[in-house]
Amino acid sequence: GESVGLHLPTLSVQEGDNSIINCAYSNSASDYFIWYKQESGKGPQFIIDIRSNMDKRQGQRVTVLLNKTVKHLSLQIAATQPGDSAVYFCAESSNDYKLSFGAGTTVTVRA
Amino acid sequence: EAQVTQNPRYLITVTGKKLTVTCSQNMNHEYMSWYRQDPGLGLRQIYYSMNVEVTDKGDVPEGYKVSRKEKRNFPLILESPSPNQTSLYFCASSPGTGTGELFFGEGSRLTVL
Repeated sequence: GESVGLHLPTLSVQEGDNSIINCAYSNSASDYFIWYKQESGKGPQFIIDIRSNMDKRQGQRVTVLLNKTVKHLSLQIAATQPGDSAVYFCAESSNDYKLSFGAGTTVTVRA
Repeated sequence: EAQVTQNPRYLITVTGKKLTVTCSQNMNHEYMSWYRQDPGLGLRQIYYSMNVEVTDKGDVPEGYKVSRKEKRNFPLILESPSPNQTSLYFCASSPGTGTGELFFGEGSRLTVL
């Protein structure tokens, strides 16, 4: 079946730099996308979401970009901090009942 | 404190020995769901429930059962566990229909020998 995937399984970032985490999806019917953050030993936590009628949405230090033409989603983290070290998952939905998650990108912040 | 509570957090069992992982939420959420997390595969949905007595299969329901007799509880039942069910399990709840912000529990690591 169709799935959500991430371009890179790991990302190493210098503290203070901006991070960009990418995600490709293949279901053209997907109309809702979310990013989750999972810290070690914890459950995933919601970061930010975006609907398909938007191409950009900003939160606190995070921005999600959606390019429907190439089915690409990205999460940008400004001024990356040590607390941003985690696994980041993108998820997509084409209905109201199910979310499909990607495999995740592990972000490591270097001091 | 608003939370989703899973028990047990860690369990080692043997093939064929029935077990139940409990999940309880105190946020009065209608939607609840179970996921399993395996390396390289992300989170895959096992079952979900839209409300009391309403459950449906997710992407990987084989070998699992659920029930939703009360709004706050959504137990995951493994009638006859097998080694391929060794995984990290997460319960989640949502005030909406299952998309949007899901609130996850801390996870239950299950090992089936």
